[in-house]
Amino acid sequence: DAKTTQPTSMDCAEGRAANLPCNHSTISGNEYVYWYRQIHSQGPQYIIHGLKNNETNEMASLIITEDRKSSTLILPHATLRDTAVYYCIVRVLNSGNTPLVFGKGTRLSVIA
Amino acid sequence: GAVVSQHPSWVICKSGTSVKIECRSLDFQATTMFWYRQFPKQSLMLMATSNEGSKATYEQGVEKDKFLINHASLTLSTLTVTSAHPEDSSFYICSARDGTGGTGANVLTFGAGSRLTVL
Repeated sequence: DAKTTQPTSMDCAEGRAANLPCNHSTISGNEYVYWYRQIHSQGPQYIIHGLKNNETNEMASLIITEDRKSSTLILPHATLRDTAVYYCIVRVLNSGNTPLVFGKGTRLSVIA
Repeated sequence: GAVVSQHPSWVICKSGTSVKIECRSLDFQATTMFWYRQFPKQSLMLMATSNEGSKATYEQGVEKDKFLINHASLTLSTLTVTSAHPEDSSFYICSARDGTGGTGANVLTFGAGSRLTVL
């Protein structure tokens, strides 16, 4: 799986949009971009994934650049409960027998 | 959606004893489950891949005789930490994929984790 680079930490004011960037310049054509987050002392939680088109669900939006070398996860209205470590991972779709490899992620702190 | 349950959520044991952690897929079958370990302020590190009906595959540096993995059914994998020592104190997390189709087929679901403290 391609390597990703994320900022170590970010702060966001409560109620504002949180934009978390991720660089994945070596991504292959068949690799998707996945985002997970881990709230303190819990297991990772799936957020969203995409290939090349922008994606949106009830939790977040995923914006992938046209060259697919970077992406941004957007939490439109961050709340205190969104404070967590966010992981950007690239992997082949449906590769169920291969694990997720976690980097260090971005520690997002939402501030009141 | 797919749910993975872990038990116990936390356990304290004496040095030298063994501890078993269970990982269950509640509403789907999982031929493969993954076990991770996470130390404080660090990222998740893969320990092993658990395969139903066959031996687990361990990552380099993980002692297979110390971390026994049994995947006896399509909904249950267990991790036993044998002769636990304080350095084994960690947060253990399992994950699995719902391979029956739909969005779940493309997503790994994680358990809530089990925090082990060895005194």
